[in-house]
Amino acid sequence: EAQVTQNPRYLITVTGKKLTVTCSQNMNHEYMSWYRQDPGLGLRQIYYSMNVEVTDKGDVPEGYKVSRKEKRNFPLILESPSPNQTSLYFCASSSPSAGPYNEQFFGPGTRLTVL
Amino acid sequence: AQSVSQHNHHVILSEAASLELGCNYSYGGTVNLFWYVQYPGQHLQLLLKYFSGDPLVKGIKGFEAEFIKSKFSFNLRKPSVQWSDTAEYFCAVNARSNYQLIWGAGTKLIIKP
Repeated sequence: EAQVTQNPRYLITVTGKKLTVTCSQNMNHEYMSWYRQDPGLGLRQIYYSMNVEVTDKGDVPEGYKVSRKEKRNFPLILESPSPNQTSLYFCASSSPSAGPYNEQFFGPGTRLTVL
Repeated sequence: AQSVSQHNHHVILSEAASLELGCNYSYGGTVNLFWYVQYPGQHLQLLLKYFSGDPLVKGIKGFEAEFIKSKFSFNLRKPSVQWSDTAEYFCAVNARSNYQLIWGAGTKLIIKP
């Protein structure tokens, strides 16, 4: 089954404790992206990756890091989480080379709480 | 800068009422347009999309949207809503010149049984 998976689905942590949220897709998509969703703000892009070893900042990259060492994986790293990073995080992937629609497929989300 | 505006943040309707959710974007070039839906506790799913051709596009679950180029709009419609349509709806726009999706803030739709 074609899908985007994220782990963990729920995470409660404390300020300053490094964490990683994993994202994996099995559709051989070139493009992957991380969003955060906050009430009234919609989805805001954190980082994206056009392909392996190619990453770029989105609209709200501060406090986050990413890496794209393999095509299928795109982990999101919070080196020193702070309470303002409490949010719902979504990973998405798409295949721009497959056609102009560029439909993005989303993971199930990770609800992060930073105390 | 490109932006997407959704007119209503919250909409409350009774079952069988008609629905129209507004979406306007600011970009002068060629675009792809999307509506995504997020049911409570679930991830985003594509509802419908427009790339070219007939500006009236039909999606899943009886939804449709009309692209009006002159108004930079892509409004979502459904003639008769059901309680199961309770969800948050997001409009998104992708300029053909790049791969980024620009998102609206979302509209929370509550259907009263």
